[in-house]
Amino acid sequence: EVQLVESGGGLVQPGGSLRLSCGASGFTFSTYSMKWVRQAPGKGLEWVSHISSSSSSIYYADSVKGRFTISRDNAENSLHLQMNSLRDEDTAVYYCAREGIGRTLDYWGQGTLVIVSS
Amino acid sequence: EIVLTQSPGTLSLSPGERATLSCRASQNISGSYLAWYQQKPGQAPRLLIYGASSRATGIPDRFSGSGSGTDFTLTISRLEPEDFAVYYCQQYGSSRWTFGHGTKVEIK
Repeated sequence: EVQLVESGGGLVQPGGSLRLSCGASGFTFSTYSMKWVRQAPGKGLEWVSHISSSSSSIYYADSVKGRFTISRDNAENSLHLQMNSLRDEDTAVYYCAREGIGRTLDYWGQGTLVIVSS
Repeated sequence: EIVLTQSPGTLSLSPGERATLSCRASQNISGSYLAWYQQKPGQAPRLLIYGASSRATGIPDRFSGSGSGTDFTLTISRLEPEDFAVYYCQQYGSSRWTFGHGTKVEIK
């Protein structure tokens, strides 16, 4: 069974940093691209970042470019998102997701809540 | 950047009725990269449809997708109680993934 479990969320002040992690199991993690997607309270879904299986291709949404860094450790079956210079508008539930057929997101974690507030 | 516009914002229907949800793209997109997701309160989204019309694993056949170019549709043939949720379309293009703002299907 595919499982994705996020961790690392919490309350942080504007301008602060946070590192999210996503542990993967139930599939061969090293062969799949992965993504982070976020959802602000009461709002829709927003793609944040993508990383290919070998980390050779990395993309970011314009809203986070230069502030967030995605990475992965295939030996540890883990995905990470380093978030710096956090802003109020970064407050959201952050989901990690596996890329499936047709560039879809076929499996999702349960999400971790990040609150940016003073 | 391609913008996906979903309509209606809210659809009020009764169990057993047919639901038709629309997703319109601001420019032509490849149907290969158009997907639909269902999200219930407090839960992560679930992939329903990929490639505009193919059902994901385990998705009941009352869910169907269609469309091409800029106009795509998700149809739920007969609403079951568990189908009342928010539905999002999503597309991929130019190293970007974008979502529509969602359609809420609520019980009338």
